[in-house]
Amino acid sequence: AQSVTQLDSQVPVFEEAPVELRCNYSSSVSVYLFWYVQYPNQGLQLLLKYLSGSTLVKGINGFEAEFNKSQTSFHLRKPSVHISDTAEYFCAVSESNSGYSTLTFGKGTMLLVSP
Amino acid sequence: SQTIHQWPATLVQPVGSPLSLECTVEGTSNPNLYWYRQAAGRGLQLLFYSVGIGQISSEVPQNLSASRPQDRQFILSSKKLLLSDSGFYLCAWSTPSSTDTQYFGPGTRLTVL
Repeated sequence: AQSVTQLDSQVPVFEEAPVELRCNYSSSVSVYLFWYVQYPNQGLQLLLKYLSGSTLVKGINGFEAEFNKSQTSFHLRKPSVHISDTAEYFCAVSESNSGYSTLTFGKGTMLLVSP
Repeated sequence: SQTIHQWPATLVQPVGSPLSLECTVEGTSNPNLYWYRQAAGRGLQLLFYSVGIGQISSEVPQNLSASRPQDRQFILSSKKLLLSDSGFYLCAWSTPSSTDTQYFGPGTRLTVL
């Protein structure tokens, strides 16, 4: 069975500072990994995904994540955050089956950016 | 391009009343469709998924049901709502050829009183 752990429920940071949101997963099979962002009362927007290839993945809004198989991690980073990055961020792992996939989500990390 | 719609956006219902939430996808054919619930402090929970018309799989036993009457329409229903059904309901889709990336709709906020 898969599981995803987001170690921080809340991360406060000042504007223009760097940030890292941590994600660890467990899975018995090859994994596909995702980061989604959710703004208040909205759906989830895909930030980036790792399916295969380069372990450093670049996404939208200046975010990037690095897949580390030995540490079973997929941490999300941004070198300089903006007020508009304030949102909840979800890490997810996918398990593929015949013709469909299921996503297991972490409980989310609220990123709070202040001036 | 593909778009996904959910309605209503918000809903307040009394305990014991019925429920019908609708999700439609445009710009793609034969998508895989998913219903998730997001309850406060509990992350996202997969409720149902569908790989085709009339094909519904349930992940969690509950008093909710799902139906897929058309290729790009996914409906979440209940005959009698419970207080514990309150939450944010999200519909998602993925293409059969890229089944690992799911795209989410705007969600429906359900409050059961």
